[in-house]
Amino acid sequence: AQSVAQPEDQVNVAEGNPLTVKCTYSVSGNPYLFWYVQYPNRGLQFLLKYITGDNLVKGSYGFEAEFNKSQTSFHLKKPSALVSDSALYFCAVRDMNTGFQKLVFGTGTRLLVSP
Amino acid sequence: DAGVTQSPTHLIKTRGQQVTLRCSPKSGHDTVSWYQQALGQGPQFIFQYYEEEERQRGNFPDRFSGHQFPNYSSELNVNALLLGDSALYLCASSFRGGVTDTQYFGPGTRLTVL
Repeated sequence: AQSVAQPEDQVNVAEGNPLTVKCTYSVSGNPYLFWYVQYPNRGLQFLLKYITGDNLVKGSYGFEAEFNKSQTSFHLKKPSALVSDSALYFCAVRDMNTGFQKLVFGTGTRLLVSP
Repeated sequence: DAGVTQSPTHLIKTRGQQVTLRCSPKSGHDTVSWYQQALGQGPQFIFQYYEEEERQRGNFPDRFSGHQFPNYSSELNVNALLLGDSALYLCASSFRGGVTDTQYFGPGTRLTVL
């Protein structure tokens, strides 16, 4: 069965500093990996996805993520954090071998960027 | 370009009642998935509709049912509501339901069961 782990409930970073939000995954086949962000009282907004190819994926709002197959990780990164990046971030995985679109989400990591 | 829309925004029901939530997919999309997000949790997949049929289902009881209309919009129905059904219900749409496709989410419907 597919699963995703987000080991940190909360990440604190000062504005202007680099940020990393961690995610590890488990699938039986090859993974498709996604990052979404959720602002208060809002739905999920798509940031980026890894399907195949380059291990460094660039997404919206300056975010990028690095796929590491040996460590089964897909960490979200940004070189310089903004206060407006403060939100709840979800990593999700889809098992390519199932042929279906079901996404399995992690429990989320709250990012707090201080001025 | 209209995104995914959901109605209503908020809903309050009592135990045992039935509820219907509605979703209109993003323009050009024909596949709709429903997720339940309990407080403090990540979204959990309920089911997906494509070509007006349920194509995949998560671990939810039969009290949860759905429908997709010819215009690709969808409804989620929950019967015999329980307190534990209180959650944010998210609708996501995509094109063709391909395994590499991105799902785009609506703002959700907040259901409170008293």
